[in-house]
Amino acid sequence: DVKVTQSSRYLVKRTGEKVFLECVQDMDHENMFWYRQDPGLGLRLIYFSYDVKMKEKGDIPEGYSVSREKKERFSLILESASTNQTSMYLCASSPDPATQSKGYTFGSGTRLTVV
Amino acid sequence: AQKITQTQPGMFVQEKEAVTLDCTYDTSDPSYGLFWYKQPSSGEMIFLIYQGSYDQQNATEGRYSLNFQKARKSANLVISASQLGDSAMYFCAMGTRGGSYIPTFGRGTSLIVHP
Repeated sequence: DVKVTQSSRYLVKRTGEKVFLECVQDMDHENMFWYRQDPGLGLRLIYFSYDVKMKEKGDIPEGYSVSREKKERFSLILESASTNQTSMYLCASSPDPATQSKGYTFGSGTRLTVV
Repeated sequence: AQKITQTQPGMFVQEKEAVTLDCTYDTSDPSYGLFWYKQPSSGEMIFLIYQGSYDQQNATEGRYSLNFQKARKSANLVISASQLGDSAMYFCAMGTRGGSYIPTFGRGTSLIVHP
């Protein structure tokens, strides 16, 4: 019954490394999203995508990029990881925004630590 | 700009009692949706309930109900008959038509249910 899968639950990376966070959904959803979650700050939107090969910046895109080559897969890329990117990263998907009453489906999250 | 405020960092409730988690919002968009999500210690965000701005009646889903007071711009979550498994972080979120219905999240409320 798994719907949104994030490839890693925990990651530890070194400063300056290129980091890939992978997310796959099996619900044929059009929209996919990447959020980061920090204590006391809630969830903040990094990037989102409405379609294959399409991306839009969210509220905090600096230091991140994304890739969506296939409908089911949405990757978050940290080009050069820094310690201030240590956080919990959550991927989500949703169908057409007109059906927002069904909410988003989230993955289990990736807790990234940059040392 | 849209804004979601959760003023209760932490709440405690006795098992089998009801609890209300507060959420206020601010938007000038007449078309919006309000959401509540639950995040247990496992990390996954779970969609609980949705209320549309034009809905006349308060939304209910099992033990969850949303107390929607449009004039006061509040969307409080009421959990009836609390269970130990309700212990989690709870996030209020809002998506507006002008923002493509992409949710903005509050900072969350930690709920602990005591036996």
